[in-house]
Amino acid sequence: AQSVTQLDSHVSVSEGTPVLLRCNYSSSYSPSLFWYVQHPNKGLQLLLKYTSAATLVKGINGFEAEFKKSETSFHLTKPSAHMSDAAEYFCVVSDQAGGYNKLIFGAGTRLAVHP
Amino acid sequence: KAGVTQTPRYLIKTRGQQVTLSCSPISGHRSVSWYQQTPGQGLQFLFEYFSETQRNKGNFPGRFSGRQFSNSRSEMNVSTLELGDSALYLCASSLAGQDYNEQFFGPGTRLTVL
Repeated sequence: AQSVTQLDSHVSVSEGTPVLLRCNYSSSYSPSLFWYVQHPNKGLQLLLKYTSAATLVKGINGFEAEFKKSETSFHLTKPSAHMSDAAEYFCVVSDQAGGYNKLIFGAGTRLAVHP
Repeated sequence: KAGVTQTPRYLIKTRGQQVTLSCSPISGHRSVSWYQQTPGQGLQFLFEYFSETQRNKGNFPGRFSGRQFSNSRSEMNVSTLELGDSALYLCASSLAGQDYNEQFFGPGTRLTVL
């Protein structure tokens, strides 16, 4: 069975400092991995996706993630946090055994950005 | 191009009632998935429809059902509502049936069961 574990439920950073949100995955297949962001009272927005083309994936708003098979990790990073980055972030794996388009979400990491 | 729309945005029902939620996918998208988001259980997959057929189903009781119409619009129905059904219900659409296609999410319908 496929699953993702987000290692931190809350992360707090100062504006202008780096962001690191950690995610480990478990998959019997070569996984498709995603990071989504959810701002308060808004839907989910895709930040980036890994589909085996390149291990370093660049996304929107300066975010990127690196797929490390040996560590089964897919951590999300950003060099410099902005106030607007405060939101909840979800690491997601696509369940290929279950068929197409079944996404399995991690529990989420709430990112707080302080001035 | 318009995004995924969900109606209504907010809904208040009482226990025992039933409810129908609607989702209109992005034009041209044929796959529609539904997810339930609660503080305790997080985001959980309900089901997915593609070309009017349910292709996947999550671990939810039979009170949760859905359908898709020929124009790809989808509805989900919850019968005999329970307090635990209070949640944000999210709909997502994608172009085709392959798992790497990006899923575009709507703003959700917030259901409160009293």
